[in-house]
Parts: sequence; C-alpha cells; structure tokens
Amino acid sequence: KAGVTQTPRYLIKTRGQQVTLSCSPISGHRSVSWYQQTPGQGLQFLFEYFSETQRNKGNFPGRFSGRQFSNSRSEMNVSTLELGDSALYLCASSLGGNVNSPLHFGNGTRLTVT
Amino acid sequence: GNSVTQMEGPVTLSEEAFLTINCTYTATGYPSLFWYVQYPGEGLQLLLKATKADDKGSNKGFEATYRKETTSFHLEKGSVQVSDSAVYFCALEVIAGGTSYGKLTFGQGTILTVHP
Repeated sequence: KAGVTQTPRYLIKTRGQQVTLSCSPISGHRSVSWYQQTPGQGLQFLFEYFSETQRNKGNFPGRFSGRQFSNSRSEMNVSTLELGDSALYLCASSLGGNVNSPLHFGNGTRLTVT
Repeated sequence: GNSVTQMEGPVTLSEEAFLTINCTYTATGYPSLFWYVQYPGEGLQLLLKATKADDKGSNKGFEATYRKETTSFHLEKGSVQVSDSAVYFCALEVIAGGTSYGKLTFGQGTILTVHP
C-alpha cells in the first residue's frame, strides 16, 4: 500500500509570493492533517480536514489555508510568504475518527523563503 | 493546555547500550500517547503507541509504558544499534468524544546517535 505522498519535496520562494503544497493520503484514509516543523518551534499543528471539511485548526495566521478534495487529497496554501515560513511542512493521514487509527506522515515539503 | 516534555538531547550511545528517553506530559482529558521516529530527510514514522493507563506499547525492540500516576511515557530499548540513530518524538492526542481530530502535541524531539 502506498504511503502518504507529498509534492513537491523542495520549494524555494521569494518573500511576498504564495505557495501551494499537495498531499495524497493513504488509500482509504479520509482525514488529512498538516504540520509545520521548524528548529525553533518544533512540530506545530496547522489544521485537519475530514470529508472536505476543516474540523480542527491550530494557531496560525489566516495566510495559512487548506482544502480537501472529494478523493481525500489535500492542498495547503500560504499567501504573502514571510521569511519565518521557511520550514518542513508535513502532511499526515488517518482513517479518521478512530482512536486506533494513528497518523501516518509523508516525507514533507521543504519550503525555503528568500 | 496540553504539553509534552522530553529529556534534552542529544543522546550519544555505543552500540548495544541501554537506551532511555524520558517523556512526561500534561493534558486536559485522557490522552493517547505515541512515540514517533524521524530519520534524516524523512517524515515521522509511528514507533509505538498506548491508549490507556498501564498499556505497554512495543515495536522493533522499543518499549514504553503509559504511567498515568507519573504522567510519563518513557521510551526504552535494551540494546541499541547504529541504525537506531534518529530523532525521537513523544506525542499525545486527546480524543474528544471518541473522535480523533488529527491534532498531536509533540515534544521537542531527542536526537539519538549510536556509535559502532
């Protein structure tokens, strides 16, 4: 069974631009979560989608948004990029709603903002 | 709020040494507890989990026991290998009404290096 796939693996953007990251969950998984990983702040929860609905959101500004499609694939968008947005962005999927269904993570997208 | 505190690293061991990485937590509600491992250039892999007090999670020789009385979930391995070198994250999730909303709270991570 294929794992969680994130594209692209690496991205370099300029301050002020916007970026879209993509995540394909494990087949059959309906929940997709996004995390930001930085050396200073560690792993921080961005948001979670289930059946195309955002059910949970972390403490990030409105520049960070996401969506989920009917096939459970998800995208994350960051507008008006800032230098501090440079990070590894991780997507995780799970069956959703089941305590015995832990999160399975992709290898991440490394975003560098210059 | 919820928080996870891991022992500060990095931890450097010789092959076949005993490993302990301490993890304590605070949570509003009854959390499930996890250990994830991250190898260089990769995402996080679930190593083991425990969903209720006194449960012992185990995988690949690693073990951790959910201790509610001490709010701890320490990771142990009896004999580490060079291939165990990675970053280890302790995490918790509070399930609300039986539904997971995908939000894990992570510790800061512990870098483990094992020398031959």
